Amino acid sequence: DQQVKQNSPSLSVQEGRISILNCDYTNSMFDYFLWYKKYPAEGPTFLISISSIKDKNEDGRFTVFLNKSAKHLSLHIVPSQPGDSAVYFCAASGGGGGADGLTFGKGTHLIIQP
Amino acid sequence: NAGVMQNPRHLVRRRGQEARLRCSPMKGHSHVYWYRQLPEEGLKFMVYLQKENIIDESGMPKERFSAEFPKEGPSILRIQQVVRGDSAAYFCASSQRLGQGDSPLHFGNGTRLTVT
Repeated sequence: DQQVKQNSPSLSVQEGRISILNCDYTNSMFDYFLWYKKYPAEGPTFLISISSIKDKNEDGRFTVFLNKSAKHLSLHIVPSQPGDSAVYFCAASGGGGGADGLTFGKGTHLIIQP
Repeated sequence: NAGVMQNPRHLVRRRGQEARLRCSPMKGHSHVYWYRQLPEEGLKFMVYLQKENIIDESGMPKERFSAEFPKEGPSILRIQQVVRGDSAAYFCASSQRLGQGDSPLHFGNGTRLTVT
């Protein structure tokens, strides 16, 4: 039973445009949500997080939106750059995933087209 | 400013052999997590340790897998009598303190285990 779902395995966006990556969750006990970025042959790198008491968090070109009633969050990247091409994992904590360990989605492969 | 160090990067084992994966957390981090990523899958939690203690091993297979984080030295994930299904990327992560929001996990580059 997947508690964190990323339904788009891949997404292609033109350079300079907005990239929107989506994530849905089922466990209402989750209290923190995080996005990680992963390049091939490297470990995931923390990007941005949001607490369940907020609905938006912004850091430079990255903004995460949380809709608790819909159990949905999204990551917006604007403007998209070639270096943003990577796999993006949505993750959640607080739902019992190992003493505050993370429950991950399967990832979305973002491809930025020049 | 060394990050989380994992070695080896690649490990090939024949069925039935033992695999030992090592992880040195970031300096100042006392919380260590191990995750496994199977092909086309997300990362799955395996075990959470603090120095000399296993705090949560709810994600560990019941047999053949064990983990430790001794007082001195790296954390070790050990897989005995490996089988082909153990082939995966194993990631270690560390954090400064408990609580994901203000203490996100920092990941190493992983060990890719191949069982032949």
